[in-house]
Amino acid sequence: NAGVTQTPKFQVLKTGQSMTLQCAQDMNHNSMYWYRQDPGMGLRLIYYSASEGTTDKGEVPNGYNVSRLNKREFSLRLESAAPSQTSVYFCASMSGGGLAGGTYEQYFGPGTRLTVT
Amino acid sequence: AQSVTQLDSHVSVSEGTPVLLRCNYSSSYSPSLFWYVQHPNKGLQLLLKYTSAATLVKGINGFEAEFKKSETSFHLTKPSAHMSDAAEYFCVVRGNTGGFKTIFGAGTRLFVKA
Repeated sequence: NAGVTQTPKFQVLKTGQSMTLQCAQDMNHNSMYWYRQDPGMGLRLIYYSASEGTTDKGEVPNGYNVSRLNKREFSLRLESAAPSQTSVYFCASMSGGGLAGGTYEQYFGPGTRLTVT
Repeated sequence: AQSVTQLDSHVSVSEGTPVLLRCNYSSSYSPSLFWYVQHPNKGLQLLLKYTSAATLVKGINGFEAEFKKSETSFHLTKPSAHMSDAAEYFCVVRGNTGGFKTIFGAGTRLFVKA
């Protein structure tokens, strides 16, 4: 099992450019998540998908859109990148649904380091 | 409302000495608590989790944590640090009702000196 995979690993964008971060999991998990990690702030939830066909906003959704393409794949799109979106982005998946399943653990991908100049 | 506070942003220990990473939480309901480790340029890996069974939880790589409800704490310990333990550690709280929101602490970076 590859677990959770993310592409690309690194990306540099200019302000106003768009891009899509890809995430896939091979564990047959129902829930998938996108987080951003900034120094001293832990991980903050951008969007999540409780199951195939559903998506919901997290704590910091502005400037992002998501697509749950199928059960395996969950992509994050930046339509017009801004320097404030410079961050490390992590995708995660979990067996339980959405924000539910209190005792389930999340599995994380290796991250995408994005710089917006 | 839920919150989690990691009391130290950085901890430095010598190899072979004990490790203590402190975490306090606030939750209206009986929470699930997790510790994750992140090595440089890697994703997060689960070390251990508390889910209202035994209050002393053993994890991977010799780490353990004790849930103390009276102190609202879930500190992470290891008897003897190894160089490979140098990483960032995140304490995570999730409620077991009403939305199960997951909150990450800000992280504690552990340095291990030879």
